Amino acid sequence: GQQLNQSPQSMFIQEGEDVSMNCTSSSIFNTWLWYKQDPGEGPVLLIALYKAGELTSNGRLTAQFGITRKDSFLNISASIPSDVGIYFCAGQRNYGGSQGNLIFGKGTKLSVKP
Amino acid sequence: SQTIHQWPATLVQPVGSPLSLECTVEGTSNPNLYWYRQAAGRGLQLLFYSVGIGQISSEVPQNLSASRPQDRQFILSSKKLLLSDSGFYLCAAGLYEQYFGPGTRLTVT
Repeated sequence: GQQLNQSPQSMFIQEGEDVSMNCTSSSIFNTWLWYKQDPGEGPVLLIALYKAGELTSNGRLTAQFGITRKDSFLNISASIPSDVGIYFCAGQRNYGGSQGNLIFGKGTKLSVKP
Repeated sequence: SQTIHQWPATLVQPVGSPLSLECTVEGTSNPNLYWYRQAAGRGLQLLFYSVGIGQISSEVPQNLSASRPQDRQFILSSKKLLLSDSGFYLCAAGLYEQYFGPGTRLTVT
């Protein structure tokens, strides 16, 4: 089945640092979504991308839809403690005019540097 | 904007007992609805999705079933729980963008 490779699996952040994570696939996607999940809660949609090359910001978060349509990245600038959590990418394909289900990456876990 | 409710928030059930988890959606009509399971805080596995009342598609054959008796109600059920059914169950709604509920933590003992 389709898979999304999300990296890094985990990373430690220090307040004020910029953070970058990405997702790649061997398949083309029509939509890329980025979610954040806090412990014990449901994922929250951060950014949705619909066009190749699209660059979208949401506060300190910026995400881009890769021009090959096979990748996407998420950047967090000037990280703060509440950025800690698990970030998921998700891609969606069209099948003959119908929207396919979301394919999720395995997540990037952001933790605070000890 | 839509709001997704899930009930109950947590559940501890013995092996072999039945299960019923409920998801209701506000703020939208005729949404696509989804049930996911998440193990150990990572990796969402799609279990079922529905594009309309009474229309259920299963992604993974297993011990669970789903039903959609009303437009904005989605139910996940089991007749006999297994230990492997433990996990965090998430309901989602939407088409191009999926929005998630708060989840149900199920522990099968």
